[in-house]
Amino acid sequence: DQQVKQNSPSLSVQEGRISILNCDYTNSMFDYFLWYKKYPAEGPTFLISISSIKDKNEDGRFTVFLNKSAKHLSLHIVPSQPGDSAVYFCAASPPQGAQKLVFGQGTRLTINP
Amino acid sequence: DAGVIQSPRHEVTEMGQEVTLRCKPISGHDYLFWYRQTMMRGLELLIYFNNNVPIDDSGMPEDRFSAKMPNASFSTLKIQPSEPRDSAVYFCASSLGWGGDHNTGELFFGEGSRLTVL
Repeated sequence: DQQVKQNSPSLSVQEGRISILNCDYTNSMFDYFLWYKKYPAEGPTFLISISSIKDKNEDGRFTVFLNKSAKHLSLHIVPSQPGDSAVYFCAASPPQGAQKLVFGQGTRLTINP
Repeated sequence: DAGVIQSPRHEVTEMGQEVTLRCKPISGHDYLFWYRQTMMRGLELLIYFNNNVPIDDSGMPEDRFSAKMPNASFSTLKIQPSEPRDSAVYFCASSLGWGGDHNTGELFFGEGSRLTVL
């Protein structure tokens, strides 16, 4: 039972354009969401997060949008750069204190020059 | 800080053998997590500890899996006996937990241990 789903295993975007990675979740109790980025042979690293009390959080080229009614979040990267090529994991957490991050399957983003 | 340190980076073993994966969390972090990464399911939480005490092991797939944290700077994940379906990348992560200035929920991951069971 996959509570966090990333339905696109891969995405290819041209350098300079916008990359949009999507994530859906099923548990309405999730109230905190994170994106992690993973390069080959490395562990995932934290990228950006959003609380359920917000619908948008921005950090430089990265913006995360949350649509609670649709149980959907997305990560926008603009402009996309070759160094953004990586696997991106969406993660969700129940109310604070539970510590149990639930991750999606990941989306492999490739930025083409 | 050196970050989360895992060993071995790669392990190839035969079915039925015992496998032990090791993790040293970031000093001062009071949560430690073991995750398994597979293509089909992404990152699955196996077990996590708080202050060296196992809190939730509901993700441990079978009795063949066990994890220990004898002190704040060391944890092991053991598989005995190993099976081919256990082949995956196993990640250890640590965090400061929620609250205070560190309420981002950010986990710091090690580089992973790639296990291949033949």
